[in-house]
Amino acid sequence: SQQGEEDPQALSIQEGENATMNCSYKTSINNLQWYRQNSGRGLVHLILIRSNEREKHSGRLRVTLDTSKKSSSLLITASRAADTASYFCATDREETSYDKVIFGPGTSLSVIP
Amino acid sequence: KAGVTQTPRYLIKTRGQQVTLSCSPISGHRSVSWYQQTPGQGLQFLFEYFSETQRNKGNFPGRFSGRQFSNSRSEMNVSTLELGDSALYLCASSLGPRGYGYTFGSGTRLTVV
Repeated sequence: SQQGEEDPQALSIQEGENATMNCSYKTSINNLQWYRQNSGRGLVHLILIRSNEREKHSGRLRVTLDTSKKSSSLLITASRAADTASYFCATDREETSYDKVIFGPGTSLSVIP
Repeated sequence: KAGVTQTPRYLIKTRGQQVTLSCSPISGHRSVSWYQQTPGQGLQFLFEYFSETQRNKGNFPGRFSGRQFSNSRSEMNVSTLELGDSALYLCASSLGPRGYGYTFGSGTRLTVV
């Protein structure tokens, strides 16, 4: 099963509304990252949050991390049509330095103008 | 600075053939990871290379192989292609193997017929 699981699988909102996506994971992590992918193109790195951090901001993006619940959330405020994309969380596990970064199945966000 | 360059962008191959995909990372990035993306399986980890050494490998058959050169450029090879190998192959580079966000290329879309 996936290390990271995003919720919901799909989200549709009106332009100007806020969008919240959640990510749950199973094992201890070094860091958690969020990426955006537009229509089958390469992924774009949004934010990396380390295990000792609780919240990070970047422009209209806010990411929280709760290591006790093994969960993270990505909030996009004042959404725009251009935010329409798939959003993935990726976890970098703590177990060994030779572990790999694992991506969740993603949340498909549609922002309706 | 130039981004991650993947070549070719599109490829059509016949079952049984072999294919080589190329990835040039961002200058100064020494870590390269490869992912396979399909609608059914999502993003699946293939390999991770750092300083010409394969640090980790995903759960793919031995038909999938890769390497990294001294200039950090990486190639992956798939031999004896099967229909199920049709996918978007994404390369990602980072400064190091852990604790850094990835910069992805636009991917190579492989279609096996």
